[in-house]
Amino acid sequence: NAGVTQTPKFQVLKTGQSMTLQCAQDMNHEYMSWYRQDPGMGLRLIHYSVGAGITDQGEVPNGYNVSRSTTEDFPLRLLSAAPSQTSVYFCASSRNQDQPQHFGDGTRLSIL
Amino acid sequence: AQSVTQLDSQVPVFEEAPVELRCNYSSSVSVYLFWYVQYPNQGLQLLLKYLSGSTLVKGINGFEAEFNKSQTSFHLRKPSVHISDTAEYFCAVSDFYNQGGKLIFGQGTELSVKP
Repeated sequence: NAGVTQTPKFQVLKTGQSMTLQCAQDMNHEYMSWYRQDPGMGLRLIHYSVGAGITDQGEVPNGYNVSRSTTEDFPLRLLSAAPSQTSVYFCASSRNQDQPQHFGDGTRLSIL
Repeated sequence: AQSVTQLDSQVPVFEEAPVELRCNYSSSVSVYLFWYVQYPNQGLQLLLKYLSGSTLVKGINGFEAEFNKSQTSFHLRKPSVHISDTAEYFCAVSDFYNQGGKLIFGQGTELSVKP
């Protein structure tokens, strides 16, 4: 069972570069979300989606874009990378609001 | 806005001792509560959840938590810890009426079990 798959696992970018973090789930979950994890701050919600074609902002959306064209995929785009975006990024999915979220293994992103 | 506070950033404990990791959340009409565990270089795994019903919730690996509505707390406990319990633990809250099931996480507690 694949669950939630994130790629790449590691990435180093230069300031100003753009890139897309990929997230795919094979559980037919409607709800998907992106978090960033920074030391001492827990996980903070970046963007989320309640179904294909529907996305909304979380706590820290600035500098990130998302789209949800299919149920399975929920990519996160960094438009112009900044050192403040150095973090570990987690994608998660769940069937609906009252079900626990399943997390991917994360993407470690460093921006120089 | 909903907020979650984990009162201890680090908890060192000896093997086979009991442990309590504390979590408080801001008041709300009705909430869902979760504890997740993160082992080094891994994603988060669900330990237990409270949606409704009994206030004492049992999870995996011998952990349990008690929902206390009057104190807006959801503390995690284990009567006897093992070395393998060393990890970071996150408390998370979702408002019942919050569209989209957004989870608000606490800052995390690092549990370090020593032999």
